[in-house]
Amino acid sequence: KQEVTQIPAALSVPEGENLVLNCSFTDSAIYNLQWFRQDPGKGLTSLLLIQSSQREQTSGRLNASLDKSSGRSTLYIAASQPGDSATYLCAVYQAGTALIFGKGTTLSVSS
Amino acid sequence: ETGVTQSPTHLIKTRGQQVTLRCSSQSGHNTVSWYQQALGQGPQFIFQYYREEENGRGNFPPRFSGLQFPNYSSELNVNALELDDSALYLCASSNRGVDEKLFFGSGTQLSVL
Repeated sequence: KQEVTQIPAALSVPEGENLVLNCSFTDSAIYNLQWFRQDPGKGLTSLLLIQSSQREQTSGRLNASLDKSSGRSTLYIAASQPGDSATYLCAVYQAGTALIFGKGTTLSVSS
Repeated sequence: ETGVTQSPTHLIKTRGQQVTLRCSSQSGHNTVSWYQQALGQGPQFIFQYYREEENGRGNFPPRFSGLQFPNYSSELNVNALELDDSALYLCASSNRGVDEKLFFGSGTQLSVL
């Protein structure tokens, strides 16, 4: 059974810092991995999707990497801003199943 | 703006009642999935519909049921509500056969008293 773990559960940083969020999964037979952002009480916004054949994806200040063989992904946020404060969720998709989510990392960026 | 809309945004029910939640998929999407997100947890998969047929189900009891309509809008029905059903219910649409990227709505916050 696929399990997704995110570390740390919460993170507080000052504005301007670069930071890394971690995601690990137990079954490497995934189709893709996605990172989402969720603001309190709101839905999910897709940030980056990495196909199983890819190593990384970039969008603006965000960079996500995938090491399928070790069951790990990282989300790198450069030059963090207070507007980046949110919960970041990692999810993996296996063929024939649904997205399986971690519990998320809650990020707080102070000005 | 993802184009996925859910109604209502908030709902309060009492234990034992029934509830219907609604979702309008993004235009052109043929697949809809429903997720339950308890406070402090990641979303848990309830079920998925593809072209009006249930096409996958998570570990939820039969009192959780759904429908997908020809216009690809969808409903989630929950019977005999329990206190533990209190959660944020998320709908997501995608275009199977094109890509697997999901677009989520803003959710319905259900409170069962």
